[in-house]
Order: sequence, then C-alpha cells, then structure tokens
Amino acid sequence: AQSVTQLGSHVSVSEGALVLLRCNYSSSVPPYLFWYVQYPNQGLQLLLKYTSAATLVKGINGFEAEFKKSETSFHLTKPSAHMSDAAEYFCAVSDLNGGFKTIFGAGTRLFVKA
Amino acid sequence: DVKVTQSSRYLVKRTGEKVFLECVQDMDHENMFWYRQDPGLGLRLIYFSYDVKMKEKGDIPEGYSVSREKKERFSLILESASTNQTSMYLCASRQDRATGELFFGEGSRLTVL
Repeated sequence: AQSVTQLGSHVSVSEGALVLLRCNYSSSVPPYLFWYVQYPNQGLQLLLKYTSAATLVKGINGFEAEFKKSETSFHLTKPSAHMSDAAEYFCAVSDLNGGFKTIFGAGTRLFVKA
Repeated sequence: DVKVTQSSRYLVKRTGEKVFLECVQDMDHENMFWYRQDPGLGLRLIYFSYDVKMKEKGDIPEGYSVSREKKERFSLILESASTNQTSMYLCASRQDRATGELFFGEGSRLTVL
C-alpha cells in the first residue's frame, strides 16, 4: 500500500536560509508525487508535482523537489526562505495500485525567523 | 481558475445530530474527495467518487456516508455526529485519475458538542 512519511513535524529556519523539508514514500509502482502548501485558514494548494518526467521538479514560489527512486525520497527545497513561506507543507503520493487515491503525509509546519 | 466551494466554513452541532457538508466544483471534474484534517495526522481520506453516482470508501469511512447525484456536487453526511468527529473537513476535486492534481476547497471546521 502507498504511504508517505514526512520527517519533522516542525522545521524552523532563519529568513534567507535554505529550506529543506523531507519526504519519503512507499509505492510498488511508479508514483505520482506532490507537495502542497496550506496557509492558515485556507485549503491546500499545489506547489509542484512529479509524474515521471524530469526528476528535478520546479514549482511555484521558488520551491523545487527531486525525485530519487533509489532512496524513495521526494524532498522539498528552497534556497532562501522568506517570511511568507511560513505555512504547513504536505507531501502526497498516488499510484495505479492504489487506484490513484491521493495519500498525504502528516505535514511539516515551517517557521521562518526574522 | 478552478473553484471548489464548501457550503459552510464553520459549524457547531450537538452529539447525535445529522450533519450535511456540501461541496461544489465548477470545472466539470470527474473525481471528488472528502478528507478530514487533524493535527499531527495530516489528511485522511474518508470517501471518494470517480464519477456521478459512484462512491468508494477511503481509509476512515466509519461514521460517514456520501452522495454524488450530480457531477459537480459531492456531499458528506454524518448520520449521527459524535465528538470524535470534531475536525476540519476538506473537499477536493480532480479532472481525472491521470492528471493527479487535486484542487481543494477552503475547508469546513466542524465542532460537535
């Protein structure tokens, strides 16, 4: 069965520092992988997605993620954090064997310090 | 832009009441989903629907039912609300299985007293 593990429920960085949010997935077939962001009192919006094209995926707001099949990872990065990046981030997976249900990780809340 | 609209942002209900959460999408999407979101647990799938009048159980369907009589509308029903159903409920839609991306509503925060 598909599953997603996000390492670290809370991550704190200084403004201008590198952002690294970790995600590992479990899937027996080629997966679709996603990162979503949720700002306070809002629904989720897509940051980026991997669907078996390029392994390095660029998203909105300067975020990118790299699909590493050998490590079953899909970590999210941004070179320089901005105060507006403070939010909760969710990694998600869907695949054929799971009927293309989308399964989410527990989320990582990003804090950005001035 | 795709718009997913959830009928109520905040609801307060009493134990045992029947609760309806409505969700409407305006982009002719085939697939629709209901998740609940709880701190530390992320989003958990309750029910989903790949087409009109179709429904499938997700990972936590107990205590819930759904209805999809029209393509654009997907309703979540709590037949007899309980305090452990106090949560944030998120509706999402997707064009079809191949595209992958979900579009979310803003959520309905339900408190059951």
